[in-house]
Amino acid sequence: DAGVTQSPTHLIKTRGQQVTLRCSPKSGHDTVSWYQQALGQGPQFIFQYYEEEERQRGNFPDRFSGHQFPNYSSELNVNALLLGDSALYLCASSAVEGVRNEQYFGPGTRLTVT
Amino acid sequence: TQLLEQSPQFLSIQEGENLTVYCNSSSVFSSLQWYRQEPGEGPVLLVTVVTGGEVKKLKRLTFQFGDARKDSSLHITAAQPGDTGLYLCAGAPRGTYKYIFGTGTRLKVLA
Repeated sequence: DAGVTQSPTHLIKTRGQQVTLRCSPKSGHDTVSWYQQALGQGPQFIFQYYEEEERQRGNFPDRFSGHQFPNYSSELNVNALLLGDSALYLCASSAVEGVRNEQYFGPGTRLTVT
Repeated sequence: TQLLEQSPQFLSIQEGENLTVYCNSSSVFSSLQWYRQEPGEGPVLLVTVVTGGEVKKLKRLTFQFGDARKDSSLHITAAQPGDTGLYLCAGAPRGTYKYIFGTGTRLKVLA
């Protein structure tokens, strides 16, 4: 049973550029959430997608956008990159299952903005 | 602001010692998760607690959910160097899908 997969593993971009990160959820999961984790800090919630719609959003600017596809996979897009966007980007999947909210995380994409 | 505060922030102990990590909030959670994270990797789910007062055991780790579902604790018995890592509590406050993480406890167990 494949877990959550993310691509690419590492990415280096220049300020002002745009980036797309990809995530495939764990088999049987229909909900995908994205997180940003700066060095030495805990993950910060960016948004969650369910049924191809953004269901909840954290405190991130509109430069951060996403998409969920019919097969439940998801993309995170970041426009007009800033140096402060350098971080580990984590994708997590979960299943609509009452109150449990269990999140299963991928290995992350390390984004460096220069 | 909905926060999950963990204490202590850092902990360095000798192999064989016991420790407890606390996770507190002013919000009510329908469930809380505990994760462990290694540097450069994604968090790994350890346990979910759902019912107020619930106690769950995972080998030498004991997790408890507060009666009011606003707090949780993680107790490690006879810590081993393999327990070293960042421990995070997390959950979505009741009525929201916004999943928040605690401030984290960085544990180092010395051989």
